[in-house]
Amino acid sequence: AQSVTQPDIHITVSEGASLELRCNYSYGATPYLFWYVQSPGQGLQLLLKYFSGDTLVQGIKGFEAEFKRSQSSFNLRKPSVHWSDAAEYFCAVGADNYGQNFVFGPGTRLSVLP
Amino acid sequence: EAGVTQFPSHSVIEKGQTVTLRCDPISGHDNLYWYRRVMGKEIKFLLHFVKESKQDESGMPNNRFLAERTGGTYSTLKVQPAELEDSGVYFCASRRSGELFFGEGSRLTVL
Repeated sequence: AQSVTQPDIHITVSEGASLELRCNYSYGATPYLFWYVQSPGQGLQLLLKYFSGDTLVQGIKGFEAEFKRSQSSFNLRKPSVHWSDAAEYFCAVGADNYGQNFVFGPGTRLSVLP
Repeated sequence: EAGVTQFPSHSVIEKGQTVTLRCDPISGHDNLYWYRRVMGKEIKFLLHFVKESKQDESGMPNNRFLAERTGGTYSTLKVQPAELEDSGVYFCASRRSGELFFGEGSRLTVL
C-alpha cells in the first residue's frame, strides 16, 4: 500500500532563510507526487507536481521540489522564506489513473520568525 | 472556469444534530473525492465518486456518514447524528488527468 511520511511535524525558520521540507513515499510504481499548502483559513492549494521528466520541478510562490527515485523522496525547497509562507504543507502521492486515490502525508507546519 | 466550491464554510452544531455539507466540483469533472482532517491530524480519504456512482467508500468512518452525488454533479455529505469526534475540516476535490483540485473545505465544529 502506498504511504507518505513527512518526518518534520513543525519547522521554524527566520524570514529570508532557506527552507527544505522532507517527504518520503512508498509506492509500487512510478508515482505522481504533489505538494499542497494550506494557509490559515484557506483551502488546500497545489504548489507543484511531478509526473515525469525533469526531476526538478518548479512551482508557484518560488518553491521547487526534487524527485529522487533512489531515495523515494520528493523534498520541497525555497531559497528565501517570506513571512507569508507560514502555513501547513502536505506531500501527497497518487496513481496515474482515475481509479486510485491520493494518500497524504501528515503535514509539516512551518512557522516564520521576523 | 469556476473552481471547486464547498458550502458551508463553517458549521457549528451540537452533538446529536445533523449536518449536510455540499460540494460543487469543477464542471465536467467526473471524479469527486471527499477527505477530512480531524483535530489537526493528517488528511484522510473518505470516498470517491465517479459520476453518480461510489467507486470507493472504504474511508467512510461509520454509518453515520452518508454521501450522495445526485446526477453526477454536486455531492452532499451528511453526518447524522454528529458526534464530537466528527469535528474537523471536510475537503472536497475533483479530478482531471491525475491532478486534484480542492475546495476550501467545510469546517465542522460539534459541541
